[in-house]
Amino acid sequence: DGGITQSPKYLFRKEGQNVTLSCEQNLNHDAMYWYRQDPGQGLRLIYYSQIVNDFQKGDIAEGYSVSREKKESFPLTVTSAQKNPTAFYLCATAGQPQETQYFGPGTRLLVL
Amino acid sequence: GQNIDQPTEMTATEGAIVQINCTYQTSGFNGLFWYQQHAGEAPTFLSYNVLDGLEEKGRFSSFLSRSKGYSYLLLKELQMKDSASYLCAVRIDYKLSFGAGTTVTVRA
Repeated sequence: DGGITQSPKYLFRKEGQNVTLSCEQNLNHDAMYWYRQDPGQGLRLIYYSQIVNDFQKGDIAEGYSVSREKKESFPLTVTSAQKNPTAFYLCATAGQPQETQYFGPGTRLLVL
Repeated sequence: GQNIDQPTEMTATEGAIVQINCTYQTSGFNGLFWYQQHAGEAPTFLSYNVLDGLEEKGRFSSFLSRSKGYSYLLLKELQMKDSASYLCAVRIDYKLSFGAGTTVTVRA
């Protein structure tokens, strides 16, 4: 069953806490992306990776970190430096960077 | 920054046609995408235009004019399940820049 999975579906963060959002794909796609979606705003790119062991900052990388140690996995850590983390986080993949991006089901992050 | 504009909301009647416009002013252009997003769910891919003209895919069509920085998504024979947000996105190199989305409400 091919696809993109994100976990958890809902995540609660306490003040000062780092949390990690999972994104896994078995589509054998090279490119992976993390977006943040806030009400009334378009999706904004946080980080992207075109190949294993390489990633680049997007438009709003401050307060976030990523790793790309395996082709299948691109976890996103929301650090305590991100002061307004409440949002819907979407992971996307593409076969090649120039191809269509497909999205995972998303993780909704809420602050306690 | 990149400027991608689309109307915030549109309402139409079941069985009718709705046209969602998207205008863009960006630092580059490598294609334009339309995605559909139902409330609380992930965006799903609808269409891709890189050359000028109309692309038709069943009830949905998308048009692009690169010289005018303009695209539209046409939804025909509207159904209740078409009530969703429609996102316009411009690819610049290997990254997508999104508009804020247009929420379409279909009424019986």
